[in-house]
Amino acid sequence: AQSVAQPEDQVNVAEGNPLTVKCTYSVSGNPYLFWYVQYPNRGLQFLLKYITGDNLVKGSYGFEAEFNKSQTSFHLKKPSALVSDSALYFCAVRTGGTASKLTFGTGTRLQVTL
Amino acid sequence: GAVVSQHPSRVICKSGTSVKIECRSLDFQATTMFWYRQFPKQSLMLMATSNEGSKATYEQGVEKDKFLINHASLTLSTLTVTSAHPEDSSFYICSARDDSLNTEAFFGQGTRLTVV
Repeated sequence: AQSVAQPEDQVNVAEGNPLTVKCTYSVSGNPYLFWYVQYPNRGLQFLLKYITGDNLVKGSYGFEAEFNKSQTSFHLKKPSALVSDSALYFCAVRTGGTASKLTFGTGTRLQVTL
Repeated sequence: GAVVSQHPSRVICKSGTSVKIECRSLDFQATTMFWYRQFPKQSLMLMATSNEGSKATYEQGVEKDKFLINHASLTLSTLTVTSAHPEDSSFYICSARDDSLNTEAFFGQGTRLTVV
């Protein structure tokens, strides 16, 4: 069975500082990894993905994530946080194949303050 | 990115009635669609997976007769909550994926269902 762990319920950071939202995964086979962001009463917006290739993935709104196979991690990062980045962030994993389903982490609430 | 439209965004219904939620992929063919339920301050719980033209596959514990899913075309899936009760009140989210591209799933904006 595949699983995703987001160890932090909430991350607090000051605007302008770098941010990291942690994610580790467990899956049989090669992982397809994703980050999504959710604003209140909204669906999920896709931020970035890792399927293959370069371990450092760049996504929307200045976010990036690094795939680390040995540590089974896929932490989300941004060099300089904005107040507007405050939202709920979900890490997700699946394997390849048309029958595969996304498994989500429990989510991490990012709070960026002035 | 691709656009998935979910309608309605909010619905209030009386106990015992049925509610239909639509999920449309606007600019791609959704060979697979997923329906999730999200409780306050919790992650998404997958309810069922549907492929165009075939019966949906429900996750363990999800009543298929209560949550009817239809995926009649490559751009439309519907979730009908039958004989709704207050405990069915929740945030329902659909997502769609084009498996020919083996890429990410795109999500609708969600439907807030309140059963009174």
